[in-house]
Amino acid sequence: DTGVSQNPRHKITKRGQNVTFRCDPISEHNRLYWYRQTLGQGPEFLTYFQNEAQLEKSRLLSDRFSAERPKGSFSTLEIQRTEQGDSAMYLCASSAREGRPNEQFFGPGTRLTVL
Amino acid sequence: EDQVTQSPEALRLQEGESSSLNCSYTVSGLRGLFWYRQDPGKGPEFLFTLYSAGEEKEKERLKATLTKKESFLHITAPKPEDSATYLCAVQESGGSYIPTFGRGTSLIVHP
Repeated sequence: DTGVSQNPRHKITKRGQNVTFRCDPISEHNRLYWYRQTLGQGPEFLTYFQNEAQLEKSRLLSDRFSAERPKGSFSTLEIQRTEQGDSAMYLCASSAREGRPNEQFFGPGTRLTVL
Repeated sequence: EDQVTQSPEALRLQEGESSSLNCSYTVSGLRGLFWYRQDPGKGPEFLFTLYSAGEEKEKERLKATLTKKESFLHITAPKPEDSATYLCAVQESGGSYIPTFGRGTSLIVHP
């Protein structure tokens, strides 16, 4: 399978704990995006990488959230001191280096539940 | 004001009953409009990209069209397996590559 992969698929944690998610994009894609999605809503942008550079972060992104993409390959999203409001589906997407409006291809998501 | 508005929020159809989903957008310039299908508990699956008014794309029972203010996703003779949430997203020209998503239309097709 050469699509976007995410791990873990599900994560249950207690409030106050730290969690880390991983995303492996499609190999030839240099752009990688993180989104958060709650029930009944569309994906909400969190942050965006081009290669290893983090180019954009949502103003809504709390300081408790941090993302990395070392070597421009896989990416990790860490949430520190989780809160119940962080419960959501966390989606990763990747898109190609060139081309017109670059279609984004999504992974299966990581479902986070904060108790 | 939302940049991307999808309607209806939910739609129930009988198998074979054709219908259309709407996505209206308010951006100064459009780089591209995307349609995705999302099944419960899964990530969105890419369907179409539309670049300019008048453009149409087709895939099986789905046909997407674009005007300067809105896009339609036409579903012809739907089957129960077409049941899903359909998401619309727009990329604004001159801006970043970050698309803005609508809330989606939840489609249920009854056999």
